[in-house]
Amino acid sequence: DTGVSQDPRHKITKRGQNVTFRCDPISEHNRLYWYRQTLGQGPEFLTYFQNEAQLEKSRLLSDRFSAERPKGSFSTLEIQRTEQGDSAMYLCASSYKGTGVDEQFFGPGTRLTVL
Amino acid sequence: KDQVFQPSTVASSEGAVVEIFCNHSVSNAYNFFWYLHFPGCAPRLLVKGSKPSQQGRYNMTYERFSSSLLILQVREADAAVYYCVCGGYQKVTFGTGTKLQVIP
Repeated sequence: DTGVSQDPRHKITKRGQNVTFRCDPISEHNRLYWYRQTLGQGPEFLTYFQNEAQLEKSRLLSDRFSAERPKGSFSTLEIQRTEQGDSAMYLCASSYKGTGVDEQFFGPGTRLTVL
Repeated sequence: KDQVFQPSTVASSEGAVVEIFCNHSVSNAYNFFWYLHFPGCAPRLLVKGSKPSQQGRYNMTYERFSSSLLILQVREADAAVYYCVCGGYQKVTFGTGTKLQVIP
């Protein structure tokens, strides 16, 4: 297992188009997180899953955003009717929920540019 | 509002010890995580916990609402962004990152 992977690494789209990103977590990890990072800021939490259940969503996740993890493995993040303000790096992380503090392992991110 | 505060930049000479300080106002956060981030790569965890800890050249101090990352024997290759992250057992909150500048 080579870690968390994300696809695509870069996406350029026109305003109003829909985009979908994919995240493949480390195989035995049961938690999966999505973050958004804009220039000069740290990653901001968007949502997370434990197995296939979406347990929390940030207020940053507007109605145009939807995330799924249908089989508790890979996850997709879809943005509908993209806006220029959606331009950012979208990071995915996974972890294994044990009895202690779980360490999140990050993917390299998908950089979205909305023209 | 849950926030994590850290300096935007820190400079250090090669071979020195550099300290990056962080404090937070995150409710129910008992753990600190320090991540290293090179542009274009995945953030990588350096050290974590709810008590002082060490991993190789990286030391983490711990107080309930603050932590410092100390990097020993700083190298030019350490020039990167360091994130302080606070959390409980589920969601975490990132700081805005500290860019480490290494002076040869």
